[in-house]
Amino acid sequence: GAVVSQHPSWVICKSGTSVKIECRSLDFQATTMFWYRQFPKQSLMLMATSNEGSKATYEQGVEKDKFLINHASLTLSTLTVTSAHPEDSSFYICSERGRETQYFGPGTRLLVL
Amino acid sequence: KQEVTQIPAALSVPEGENLVLNCSFTDSAIYNLQWFRQDPGKGLTSLLLIQSSQREQTSGRLNASLDKSSGRSTLYIAASQPGDSATYLCAVYSGNTPLVFGKGTRLSVIA
Repeated sequence: GAVVSQHPSWVICKSGTSVKIECRSLDFQATTMFWYRQFPKQSLMLMATSNEGSKATYEQGVEKDKFLINHASLTLSTLTVTSAHPEDSSFYICSERGRETQYFGPGTRLLVL
Repeated sequence: KQEVTQIPAALSVPEGENLVLNCSFTDSAIYNLQWFRQDPGKGLTSLLLIQSSQREQTSGRLNASLDKSSGRSTLYIAASQPGDSATYLCAVYSGNTPLVFGKGTRLSVIA
C-alpha cells in the first residue's frame, strides 16, 4: 500500500515562532491530502483538505491564516503553524486519499512553550 | 452530516477475555468502514477494512462486522492480551469526503 511520511516526528518551539510540517507520499502521487489535529484523549479532527494546484479548503473554525497549507507537488504537502501558541500544542497527522480509503502519516507532535 | 459514535469510551478487562467494541454511524450511505488502532503518542495502524457490500472481515484474533442498514459495526477481539491495550478508532468512508472518525475506545488489558 501507499506510504506516507511526515517530518519532523516531534518539535518543541517557543511561543510566537512558526513551525513547518512536511507530508510526503512515497508510493504514488496524491492529488488530495488531508490534515488532521488530535488533542490528548480526543479523536482526529479534520483541519483542512489540501489539493495540488489549488487553495486548501479549511474546516469551520480553523484559521487559514494561522495554519498555512501548501501543496507544492503531487507528493508534498506542508502545514505551517504560524506564530504558534501553547494552545496549538497537539498531534498533527496528514493523510493521503487512496482509491478506497486514506493512508496516514506517522504524525508530528508539536509542543509550544 | 455523518457522525460516528463509539461505545464504550473506555474499557478495562483482564487478560484472556473476549471483548466487543461498538461503532455506530448516522448516514448509511458509506463505501466502507475501517477500524484503526492508535498507541499513545503514535499514528494510526489500520486493522480491518470492510466494504459496504461485506458483512465481516477477520484478521487473526480480530473480527469486524458491519450492518450497513442499521448503521452499526462491531470489533470483536478474542483472547485479549496486554499488547492489545490501545485506543481503537472506527472511521467511515463515503467517497469524496474525508474519513469521519469516532472518538475511539481506550482499551486496557490487565495482565
